[in-house]
Amino acid sequence: GAGVSQTPSNKVTEKGKYVELRCDPISGHTALYWYRQSLGQGPEFLIYFQGTGAADDSGLPNDRFFAVRPEGSVSTLKIQRTERGDSAVYLCASSLSAGVYNEQFFGPGTRLTVL
Amino acid sequence: KQEVTQIPAALSVPEGENLVLNCSFTDSAIYNLQWFRQDPGKGLTSLLLIQSSQREQTSGRLNASLDKSSGRSTLYIAASQPGDSATYLCAAEETSGSRLTFGEGTQLTVNP
Repeated sequence: GAGVSQTPSNKVTEKGKYVELRCDPISGHTALYWYRQSLGQGPEFLIYFQGTGAADDSGLPNDRFFAVRPEGSVSTLKIQRTERGDSAVYLCASSLSAGVYNEQFFGPGTRLTVL
Repeated sequence: KQEVTQIPAALSVPEGENLVLNCSFTDSAIYNLQWFRQDPGKGLTSLLLIQSSQREQTSGRLNASLDKSSGRSTLYIAASQPGDSATYLCAAEETSGSRLTFGEGTQLTVNP
């Protein structure tokens, strides 16, 4: 499997619960991105990492959302006290490096449904 | 703030037609413009990336052009096939950061 992988593929949870979404980037890619896609819309940027550090988290909608990448590879997006409005497909992408001319490769996404 | 618009929102064509999908962006300070394909319930597949210094890129039946000065990109699909049916998204990478700003996509249906 050379591509970006995401688990779980589907997650159904109840309002108020905590969820974690995982992303495994392409091996060797130092930059990792999270996007969120609502039905009928294009993806919206949430956060990106260069290595272990969050280089830009300005897209996170509020402090219920948090993401980590402790070893510079796998990343976890964490959502506390989920709300129905958090329901969307969460997409992860990776690229060789951030910056000029980097092509981003996307995973299949995690569909989150908050009941 | 960068805004990306795609026209048309939906397009239905008979098999074999050549077609053009349009993408416009408001801020010309971009590193590159990337075109993606998304099948229902799936992730995004990268089709073409045009660097800001380039005018076009080609891959098989696909040709993408970029005109930074006018804030426009087009995706040309030659001899369309039913397997081309999908949503096509364009995204601009801004020089102020590595985030991609996406349009809302064009939903293409190619009828046999």
